[in-house]
Amino acid sequence: DQQVKQNSPSLSVQEGRISILNCDYTNSMFDYFLWYKKYPAEGPTFLISISSIKDKNEDGRFTVFLNKSAKHLSLHIVPSQPGDSAVYFCAAQREGSNYKLTFGKGTLLTVNP
Amino acid sequence: DARVTQTPRHKVTEMGQEVTMRCQPILGHNTVFWYRQTMMQGLELLAYFRNRAPLDDSGMPKDRFSAEMPDATLATLKIQPSEPRDSAVYFCASGRGRDQPQHFGDGTRLSIL
Repeated sequence: DQQVKQNSPSLSVQEGRISILNCDYTNSMFDYFLWYKKYPAEGPTFLISISSIKDKNEDGRFTVFLNKSAKHLSLHIVPSQPGDSAVYFCAAQREGSNYKLTFGKGTLLTVNP
Repeated sequence: DARVTQTPRHKVTEMGQEVTMRCQPILGHNTVFWYRQTMMQGLELLAYFRNRAPLDDSGMPKDRFSAEMPDATLATLKIQPSEPRDSAVYFCASGRGRDQPQHFGDGTRLSIL
């Protein structure tokens, strides 16, 4: 049972445009959400997070939006740069889960110059 | 920036051999996680520790896998005996706890022939 889903395996965007990566979850007990970026041969790098008490969090070019009623979150990257090309993982933490994270399977973002 | 350190980065060995992977968490982090990444399953949580005590190892095949934290600066994941289906990238991550991101090492790429 996949509780965190990233339905788009890949996304291609032109440099300078907006990249929107999506993530859906099924467990309403999730209350903390994170996005990680992963380059080949490296470990995932933490990008941005959001608590369920918020619906938006910004950090520079990266913004995460949370829609609790739809059990949906998205990561916006504006403007997209070629160095943003990587696999992006969505992750969620459940209240009372002893810090355990559940990951989606990732979306490969390619930003074309 | 402080990083999680994993050794070895690559390991190739024959079926039936013992494999030991090591992880040095970030100083001051009290939670340590072991993940396995495969094409089919994505990032799977194998085991995790808080303050060196094992909290959950339900993701591990217990007959051949074992995880320990002999001290606060070292976590180990052992496979004995190894099998070809264990071939994957194994990641270690550490964190400060609830509502805090986990920080990943660059992984051990394991190939069992």
